[in-house]
Amino acid sequence: GESVGLHLPTLSVQEGDNSIINCAYSNSASDYFIWYKQESGKGPQFIIDIRSNMDKRQGQRVTVLLNKTVKHLSLQIAATQPGDSAVYFCAENISGGANSKLTFGKGITLSVRP
Amino acid sequence: EPEVTQTPSHQVTQMGQEVILRCVPISNHLYFYWYRQILGQKVEFLVSFYNNEISEKSEIFDDQFSVERPDGSNFTLKIRSTKLEDSAMYFCASRETGGKETQYFGPGTRLLVL
Repeated sequence: GESVGLHLPTLSVQEGDNSIINCAYSNSASDYFIWYKQESGKGPQFIIDIRSNMDKRQGQRVTVLLNKTVKHLSLQIAATQPGDSAVYFCAENISGGANSKLTFGKGITLSVRP
Repeated sequence: EPEVTQTPSHQVTQMGQEVILRCVPISNHLYFYWYRQILGQKVEFLVSFYNNEISEKSEIFDDQFSVERPDGSNFTLKIRSTKLEDSAMYFCASRETGGKETQYFGPGTRLLVL
């Protein structure tokens, strides 16, 4: 099984800088990917998603990049703000049907310095 | 904006007791999920539910766990005889149908088993 621990990797950025959060996913059959933001004591909040037929998708201040060759997903946040401080999780699934369970990555803590 | 709600927000129970965690999914959603998150770890899939039956469950979801949709709005997770290791945040999620894969999460119930 996977090793898990109490300490998540942390990315510390200066307010106003751009942030890049990376994720490696495990299942080459996955065709749908989501980034979630989780603030302390709250549930995962949807940020942006991407299907496997795309390699880039942009939202408001956020961009998701997908590299299927190396099974890598990244989240770019432009002009990072203090309110962006949270734990960020990528999640993958195989879309369609009644299942579509999400498999989450381990999470990265984003800390924004004022 | 419609959202998933969960009650209670916190639950403390003695080992061996039964607990029922409640969720009200978004009203037009048809797929329902329970996930859990042990402190400091990633979110883990427990069970998916569609058309009044379980569509998939993880190895965590053993005979002590059950789910039910007792009426048109509630979706419950029951743990029959809680163990210390059941202490975690439990998240309910729901999604629409018709190719819309995004799962929306509730705020969670923090369960502490003593």
